[in-house]
Amino acid sequence: KAGVTQTPRYLIKTRGQQVTLSCSPISGHRSVSWYQQTPGQGLQFLFEYFSETQRNKGNFPGRFSGRQFSNSRSEMNVSTLELGDSALYLCASRFERGSGQGRSSYTFGSGTRLTVV
Amino acid sequence: EDKVVQSPLSLVVHEGDTVTLNCSYEVTNFRSLLWYKQEKKAPTFLFMLTSSGIEKKSGRLSSILDKKELFSILNITATQTGDSAIYLCAVVHTGNQFYFGTGTSLTVIP
Repeated sequence: KAGVTQTPRYLIKTRGQQVTLSCSPISGHRSVSWYQQTPGQGLQFLFEYFSETQRNKGNFPGRFSGRQFSNSRSEMNVSTLELGDSALYLCASRFERGSGQGRSSYTFGSGTRLTVV
Repeated sequence: EDKVVQSPLSLVVHEGDTVTLNCSYEVTNFRSLLWYKQEKKAPTFLFMLTSSGIEKKSGRLSSILDKKELFSILNITATQTGDSAIYLCAVVHTGNQFYFGTGTSLTVIP
């Protein structure tokens, strides 16, 4: 069973550019969450999607957005990049039957390392 | 404001030592607490705790939750170099949101 796949693994962008990161969850997992990890702040929650709907959102500016497709794959977009956006972006997926029933724990992908110069 | 605090921030021990990692939290509408191990990039799941006082054990690792005092500990006995990693604690809100601590970086020296 394939794990959570994130692409690309590494990315270097310049300030002001925008970036799109991709996450393919484990087959059958409909819940996908995104996190930003930096040495100083640790893991911070960005947003969570379930069945193409954003269910939860963290405290990040509107430059951070995401979406989920009908096949549960998710993308995260960051516009007008700033130096402080340099981080490891982790995606996690989990099985969930729906209506909060039958949840598993999250399985994480290996992340996308974004460097903004 | 909901928050999760892990201590110590970093720890260096010798092989064979026993370590205790701490996670305290202030999260309204607590649902569960999870421990993850992060070696390179992807955190891997260790334990999920929902009830106080019930120890979860997996080999040399064990964990327990105290919902009255709002904390959990992760114990690792007879540490090995392969235990070197960042250990993350996450508290899950009933609204399904995860709150992560900043992690404890453990280094085990041969």
